[in-house]
Amino acid sequence: NAGVTQTPKFQVLKTGQSMTLQCAQDMNHEYMSWYRQDPGMGLRLIHYSVGAGITDQGEVPNGYNVSRSTTEDFPLRLLSAAPSQTSVYFCASSYWQGQETQYFGPGTRLLVL
Amino acid sequence: KNEVEQSPQNLTAQEGEFITINCSYSVGISALHWLQQHPGGGIVSLFMLSSGKKKHGRLIATINIQEKHSSLHITASHPRDSAVYICAVRRPSGSRLTFGEGTQLTVNP
Repeated sequence: NAGVTQTPKFQVLKTGQSMTLQCAQDMNHEYMSWYRQDPGMGLRLIHYSVGAGITDQGEVPNGYNVSRSTTEDFPLRLLSAAPSQTSVYFCASSYWQGQETQYFGPGTRLLVL
Repeated sequence: KNEVEQSPQNLTAQEGEFITINCSYSVGISALHWLQQHPGGGIVSLFMLSSGKKKHGRLIATINIQEKHSSLHITASHPRDSAVYICAVRRPSGSRLTFGEGTQLTVNP
Protein backbone atom coordinates (compact mmCIF):
# COMPACT_ATOMS: atom_id res chain seq x y z
CA ASN A 1 0.00 0.00 0.00
CA ALA A 2 1.18 3.52 -0.77
CA GLY A 3 -0.68 4.85 2.28
CA VAL A 4 -1.61 8.54 2.07
CA THR A 5 -0.06 10.45 -0.81
CA GLN A 6 -0.04 14.20 -1.39
CA THR A 7 0.93 16.23 -4.41
CA PRO A 8 2.66 18.53 -4.96
CA LYS A 9 5.34 18.51 -2.28
CA PHE A 10 6.07 22.18 -2.72
CA GLN A 11 4.28 25.00 -4.54
CA VAL A 12 4.73 28.72 -4.96
CA LEU A 13 1.69 30.79 -5.87
CA LYS A 14 1.01 34.43 -6.50
CA THR A 15 -1.78 36.16 -4.60
CA GLY A 16 -5.08 35.52 -6.33
CA GLN A 17 -4.06 32.33 -8.11
CA SER A 18 -5.99 29.14 -7.61
CA MET A 19 -4.75 25.62 -7.15
CA THR A 20 -5.72 22.18 -5.93
CA LEU A 21 -3.76 20.16 -3.40
CA GLN A 22 -4.22 16.48 -4.10
CA CYS A 23 -4.66 13.78 -1.45
CA ALA A 24 -5.23 10.10 -2.07
CA GLN A 25 -5.27 6.98 0.11
CA ASP A 26 -5.42 3.32 -0.87
CA MET A 27 -6.48 1.87 2.49
CA ASN A 28 -10.25 2.17 1.94
CA HIS A 29 -10.50 4.67 4.80
CA GLU A 30 -13.82 6.43 5.26
CA TYR A 31 -12.51 9.39 7.25
CA MET A 32 -10.22 11.93 5.60
CA SER A 33 -9.16 15.36 6.74
CA TRP A 34 -7.01 18.35 5.84
CA TYR A 35 -4.86 20.24 8.34
CA ARG A 36 -2.57 23.23 8.13
CA GLN A 37 0.51 23.63 10.28
CA ASP A 38 1.93 27.06 11.05
CA PRO A 39 4.90 28.05 13.24
CA GLY A 40 3.95 28.50 16.89
CA MET A 41 0.56 26.89 16.38
CA GLY A 42 -0.68 23.35 16.51
CA LEU A 43 -2.18 21.58 13.54
CA ARG A 44 -5.58 23.04 12.69
CA LEU A 45 -8.38 21.24 10.92
CA ILE A 46 -9.54 22.84 7.67
CA HIS A 47 -12.15 20.41 6.33
CA TYR A 48 -12.99 16.78 6.84
CA SER A 49 -15.05 14.00 5.29
CA VAL A 50 -16.65 10.95 6.90
CA GLY A 51 -17.26 9.23 3.56
CA ALA A 52 -17.74 9.72 -0.15
CA GLY A 53 -20.15 12.57 -0.82
CA ILE A 54 -19.99 13.93 2.75
CA THR A 55 -17.80 16.86 3.79
CA ASP A 56 -17.86 19.32 6.67
CA GLN A 57 -15.98 22.36 7.88
CA GLY A 58 -13.27 22.26 10.49
CA GLU A 59 -11.71 24.99 12.56
CA VAL A 60 -10.30 27.18 9.74
CA PRO A 61 -12.33 26.54 6.56
CA ASN A 62 -12.38 30.04 5.04
CA GLY A 63 -10.66 30.28 1.67
CA TYR A 64 -10.72 26.52 1.07
CA ASN A 65 -13.12 24.14 -0.66
CA VAL A 66 -13.20 20.37 -0.66
CA SER A 67 -15.11 17.57 -2.33
CA ARG A 68 -15.17 13.79 -1.87
CA SER A 69 -16.42 12.10 -5.02
CA THR A 70 -14.60 8.83 -4.27
CA THR A 71 -13.41 7.06 -1.12
CA GLU A 72 -9.81 7.37 -2.28
CA ASP A 73 -9.48 11.07 -3.12
CA PHE A 74 -9.97 14.23 -1.08
CA PRO A 75 -8.65 17.32 -2.92
CA LEU A 76 -8.31 20.71 -1.25
CA ARG A 77 -8.94 23.76 -3.43
CA LEU A 78 -7.67 27.27 -2.90
CA LEU A 79 -9.89 29.49 -5.03
CA SER A 80 -7.93 32.74 -4.63
CA ALA A 81 -4.68 32.29 -2.74
CA ALA A 82 -3.68 34.80 -0.08
CA PRO A 83 -0.34 35.21 1.75
CA SER A 84 -2.11 34.10 4.96
CA GLN A 85 -2.49 30.68 3.35
CA THR A 86 1.27 30.17 3.31
CA SER A 87 1.60 27.03 5.38
CA VAL A 88 2.35 23.32 5.38
CA TYR A 89 -0.73 21.26 4.57
CA PHE A 90 -1.26 17.71 5.75
CA CYS A 91 -3.88 15.25 4.66
CA ALA A 92 -4.82 12.42 7.02
CA SER A 93 -7.08 9.39 6.91
CA SER A 94 -8.44 6.62 9.13
CA TYR A 95 -11.11 3.97 8.99
CA TRP A 96 -13.35 6.03 11.23
CA GLN A 97 -13.24 9.38 12.95
CA GLY A 98 -12.19 8.21 16.40
CA GLN A 99 -9.74 5.54 15.32
CA GLU A 100 -6.52 5.29 17.27
CA THR A 101 -4.20 5.54 14.29
CA GLN A 102 -4.44 8.48 11.96
CA TYR A 103 -2.38 8.09 8.81
CA PHE A 104 -0.79 11.31 7.60
CA GLY A 105 0.49 12.22 4.18
CA PRO A 106 3.99 13.69 3.76
CA GLY A 107 2.70 17.27 3.54
CA THR A 108 2.59 20.02 0.95
CA ARG A 109 4.58 23.18 1.59
CA LEU A 110 2.76 26.17 0.07
CA LEU A 111 4.20 29.67 -0.32
CA VAL A 112 1.89 32.46 -1.44
CA LEU A 113 3.64 35.64 -2.54
CA LYS B 1 -5.24 30.22 26.61
CA ASN B 2 -4.90 27.21 24.33
CA GLU B 3 -7.08 24.22 25.11
CA VAL B 4 -3.99 22.00 24.88
CA GLU B 5 -0.68 23.05 26.41
CA GLN B 6 2.56 21.12 26.14
CA SER B 7 5.72 21.46 28.18
CA PRO B 8 8.53 21.90 27.69
CA GLN B 9 8.51 23.55 24.25
CA ASN B 10 12.09 22.42 23.68
CA LEU B 11 14.03 19.63 25.33
CA THR B 12 17.64 18.57 24.87
CA ALA B 13 18.85 15.30 26.36
CA GLN B 14 21.87 13.04 26.26
CA GLU B 15 21.58 9.58 24.81
CA GLY B 16 20.33 7.14 27.43
CA GLU B 17 18.40 9.66 29.51
CA PHE B 18 14.80 9.18 30.62
CA ILE B 19 12.59 11.81 29.00
CA THR B 20 9.19 13.15 30.01
CA ILE B 21 6.97 15.39 27.89
CA ASN B 22 3.82 16.80 29.45
CA CYS B 23 0.41 17.68 28.05
CA SER B 24 -2.32 19.53 29.92
CA TYR B 25 -5.77 20.24 28.57
CA SER B 26 -8.66 22.36 29.75
CA VAL B 27 -11.71 20.68 28.21
CA GLY B 28 -13.56 17.42 28.62
CA ILE B 29 -12.23 14.79 26.26
CA SER B 30 -13.06 11.33 24.98
CA ALA B 31 -9.46 10.51 24.00
CA LEU B 32 -5.95 11.91 23.87
CA HIS B 33 -3.46 11.23 21.10
CA TRP B 34 0.32 11.41 21.01
CA LEU B 35 1.99 11.84 17.62
CA GLN B 36 5.58 12.13 16.42
CA GLN B 37 6.70 14.47 13.66
CA HIS B 38 10.00 13.48 12.09
CA PRO B 39 12.62 16.07 11.11
CA GLY B 40 11.56 15.55 7.49
CA GLY B 41 8.00 16.55 8.39
CA GLY B 42 6.21 13.21 8.36
CA ILE B 43 3.68 12.64 11.17
CA VAL B 44 3.10 9.27 12.81
CA SER B 45 0.47 8.30 15.38
CA LEU B 46 2.02 6.86 18.55
CA PHE B 47 -0.82 6.34 21.04
CA MET B 48 -4.45 6.99 21.73
CA LEU B 49 -5.47 6.99 25.40
CA SER B 50 -8.77 7.34 27.19
CA SER B 51 -7.51 6.13 30.58
CA GLY B 52 -4.52 4.58 32.32
CA LYS B 53 -1.30 3.80 30.53
CA LYS B 54 -0.02 2.36 27.26
CA LYS B 55 3.44 1.10 26.37
CA HIS B 56 5.07 0.51 23.01
CA GLY B 57 8.74 -0.38 23.06
CA ARG B 58 10.60 2.40 24.88
CA LEU B 59 7.60 4.73 24.78
CA ILE B 60 5.09 4.95 27.62
CA ALA B 61 2.05 7.21 27.67
CA THR B 62 -0.07 7.90 30.74
CA ILE B 63 -3.20 9.93 31.31
CA ASN B 64 -4.91 11.27 34.43
CA ILE B 65 -8.45 12.22 33.44
CA GLN B 66 -9.24 13.92 36.77
CA GLU B 67 -6.18 16.17 36.53
CA LYS B 68 -6.57 16.69 32.76
CA HIS B 69 -2.95 15.73 32.22
CA SER B 70 -0.98 13.26 30.14
CA SER B 71 2.71 12.42 29.95
CA LEU B 72 4.82 10.77 27.29
CA HIS B 73 7.94 9.03 28.59
CA ILE B 74 10.88 7.77 26.56
CA THR B 75 13.22 5.35 28.28
CA ALA B 76 16.86 4.94 27.22
CA SER B 77 16.58 7.79 24.73
CA HIS B 78 18.44 7.59 21.43
CA PRO B 79 19.35 10.22 18.82
CA ARG B 80 16.76 8.69 16.48
CA ASP B 81 14.09 9.78 19.00
CA SER B 82 14.83 13.39 18.02
CA ALA B 83 11.55 14.73 16.69
CA VAL B 84 8.60 16.94 17.57
CA TYR B 85 6.11 15.21 19.84
CA ILE B 86 2.54 16.42 19.56
CA CYS B 87 -0.38 15.97 21.93
CA ALA B 88 -3.96 16.19 20.64
CA VAL B 89 -7.34 15.79 22.32
CA ARG B 90 -10.69 14.69 20.97
CA ARG B 91 -13.87 16.15 22.46
CA PRO B 92 -16.73 13.83 23.39
CA SER B 93 -18.63 15.14 20.36
CA GLY B 94 -15.80 13.60 18.32
CA SER B 95 -15.79 15.97 15.40
CA ARG B 96 -12.15 16.98 15.48
CA LEU B 97 -8.79 16.86 17.19
CA THR B 98 -7.32 19.90 18.94
CA PHE B 99 -3.54 19.90 18.83
CA GLY B 100 -0.86 21.26 21.10
CA GLU B 101 2.04 23.19 19.62
CA GLY B 102 4.43 20.31 20.05
CA THR B 103 7.64 19.64 21.99
CA GLN B 104 10.90 19.67 20.06
CA LEU B 105 13.12 16.89 21.43
CA THR B 106 16.81 16.66 20.57
CA VAL B 107 18.79 13.70 21.83
CA ASN B 108 22.54 14.11 21.53
CA PRO B 109 24.91 11.13 21.23
